Amino acid sequence: DAGVIQSPRHEVTEMGQEVTLRCKPISGHNSLFWYRQTMMRGLELLIYFNNNVPIDDSGMPEDRFSAKMPNASFSTLKIQPSEPRDSAVYFCASSFLVETHPGELFFGEGSRLTVL
Amino acid sequence: AQKITQTQPGMFVQEKEAVTLDCTYDTSDQSYGLFWYKQPSSGEMIFLIYQGSYDEQNATEGRYSLNFQKARKSANLVISASQLGDSAMYFCAMSASAGSYQLTFGKGTKLSVIP
Repeated sequence: DAGVIQSPRHEVTEMGQEVTLRCKPISGHNSLFWYRQTMMRGLELLIYFNNNVPIDDSGMPEDRFSAKMPNASFSTLKIQPSEPRDSAVYFCASSFLVETHPGELFFGEGSRLTVL
Repeated sequence: AQKITQTQPGMFVQEKEAVTLDCTYDTSDQSYGLFWYKQPSSGEMIFLIYQGSYDEQNATEGRYSLNFQKARKSANLVISASQLGDSAMYFCAMSASAGSYQLTFGKGTKLSVIP
């Protein structure tokens, strides 16, 4: 079975450019999460969706960040304009409610963003 | 708010030995979940084990066991019979409630298994 698929795996861009990260969750999962990982701050939850609806976006750093989930099989995280401090690995994860493992998130391989 | 503390930035263990990775947490919730994830150098995050706050027995999954001490608010991961492939970053995480998916992660512990 295919896991969570993220693209691009690596992105290098210049400050001020728009960046779009993409995620395809595991088919049948009803929740999708975007996390950001940096050495300084570790793993931070940015936003999560349940049944395609954003439930909590309190982790989104600022208005430059936006996320959408137009359907159950696709989500995007957009940064516009990008800044060097946005450099990080961005993970997408999905899950399905299972009583025995309510927190088992399945992660993608991450998108490594470098903003010069 | 929940907080996860992993005090060991790095650990070394001899192959075939057991190792304990520490995790303490802070929460005012009565119902919560505790998790461990493994992140190898390739970068993906792999779920290892889960413990619910009301579970009376410590969780076990193969060579992984979670030493849950509720009164001390600790959820240490024990890996038995370490293998070279266990070398990775290990993250402890908790959810706000046992049914919640919003995980808060610790800073991680880098485990190195020595042949």
